[in-house]
Amino acid sequence: NAGVMQNPRHLVRRRGQEARLRCSPMKGHSHVYWYRQLPEEGLKFMVYLQKENIIDESGMPKERFSAEFPKEGPSILRIQQVVRGDSAAYFCASSPRATANTEAFFGQGTRLTVV
Amino acid sequence: DQQVKQNSPSLSVQEGRISILNCDYTNSMFDYFLWYKKYPAEGPTFLISISSIKDKNEDGRFTVFLNKSAKHLSLHIVPSQPGDSAVYFCAASLPDKLIFGTGTRLQVFP
Repeated sequence: NAGVMQNPRHLVRRRGQEARLRCSPMKGHSHVYWYRQLPEEGLKFMVYLQKENIIDESGMPKERFSAEFPKEGPSILRIQQVVRGDSAAYFCASSPRATANTEAFFGQGTRLTVV
Repeated sequence: DQQVKQNSPSLSVQEGRISILNCDYTNSMFDYFLWYKKYPAEGPTFLISISSIKDKNEDGRFTVFLNKSAKHLSLHIVPSQPGDSAVYFCAASLPDKLIFGTGTRLQVFP
């Protein structure tokens, strides 16, 4: 049973380009969460999605960031017009149900570097 | 607003001794707590959890203690091993997200 798969592992983008980060949850998991870790900081919640629905996006920056989890295919975190401050590790996690009273399983992350 | 706090950024412990990692929280609505371990360039991996109806949960060398009145939990690792060297994150569960602390870097030396 494969774990949470994220790709790419490393992504380099020039300022102003778009970054697309993909996450395939564990088999049977329909709840996906995206977290961002800035250097020397903890993981900050960004968004929680179920299939085709955004449940909670309270941690997402208001502009340039969007997320989706289509009926078919992986979840996508999209960052438009990237800036240097977007450089971070982005982690996806999945769970079989909402996180209350259960653990979420994390992928290995995508390390975004904006040059 | 930092709802989950890990006030010690780092901890150094000798192999074989006990490691104690601490975590404080402010939101009394949290009713489930988790510890994750993270190696460099990898994602966090689940270690152990505890429900607020308990004050202790044990799994092998790892024990988590919860003091609800103090809004404090701790992770005990005994005996500590060099392979335990990693960053440990405390997390508190809400219905739609996990709130993480900033982590404590544990180093176990021979």
